[in-house]
Amino acid sequence: EAGVAQSPRYKIIEKRQSVAFWCNPISGHATLYWYQQILGQGPKLLIQFQNNGVVDDSQLPKDRFSAERLKGVDSTLKIQPAKLEDSAVYLCASSLSGGINNEQFFGPGTRLTVL
Amino acid sequence: SQQGEEDPQALSIQEGENATMNCSYKTSINNLQWYRQNSGRGLVHLILIRSNEREKHSGRLRVTLDTSKKSSSLLITASRAADTASYFCATAKYSGGGADGLTFGKGTHLIIQP
Repeated sequence: EAGVAQSPRYKIIEKRQSVAFWCNPISGHATLYWYQQILGQGPKLLIQFQNNGVVDDSQLPKDRFSAERLKGVDSTLKIQPAKLEDSAVYLCASSLSGGINNEQFFGPGTRLTVL
Repeated sequence: SQQGEEDPQALSIQEGENATMNCSYKTSINNLQWYRQNSGRGLVHLILIRSNEREKHSGRLRVTLDTSKKSSSLLITASRAADTASYFCATAKYSGGGADGLTFGKGTHLIIQP
């Protein structure tokens, strides 16, 4: 079974530029999550989708971050404009369905460096 | 904000020894999960323990949960070099409406010396 795919794997940009990350979840997984992991810390949830609807975006900095999952499959996360503190690994995860006791499967992540 | 707090932050042991990591959390939970992260395989789910369970085993892993103390422990027995990684506890609180994102701690970095 193919896992969660993410691209690009690495990205280096200058502050105030924009950047977009792409995620393809495991086939059939209705729930998709984006997490931000700053070096030395655990992942922090940014946004959760159930099919193509947003379930939780309470920790998403909406002034600069946006995400969409138009057809309920792939998702993109965008940062515009980027700040130095956005340097982190952005992880996408998916699960079969939302609800308690579900297992989330994580992609390899995109490492973003903002100079 | 971080929910879990792992202890110790770093742990170095000899191959074959047992490794114990602890996690404390602040609010009520539906379940607690442990994940492993290394550069080769990314973040991998290890085990999930529900709030009404006290102990769970999976291969060389043993997890305990004490909801009265809001704490959990992960024991890895007969450690191997391949166990070298960062270990995170993550809590899930199902708040209705489908929101069930995980809240992770800062992790314990485990090094197994050959």
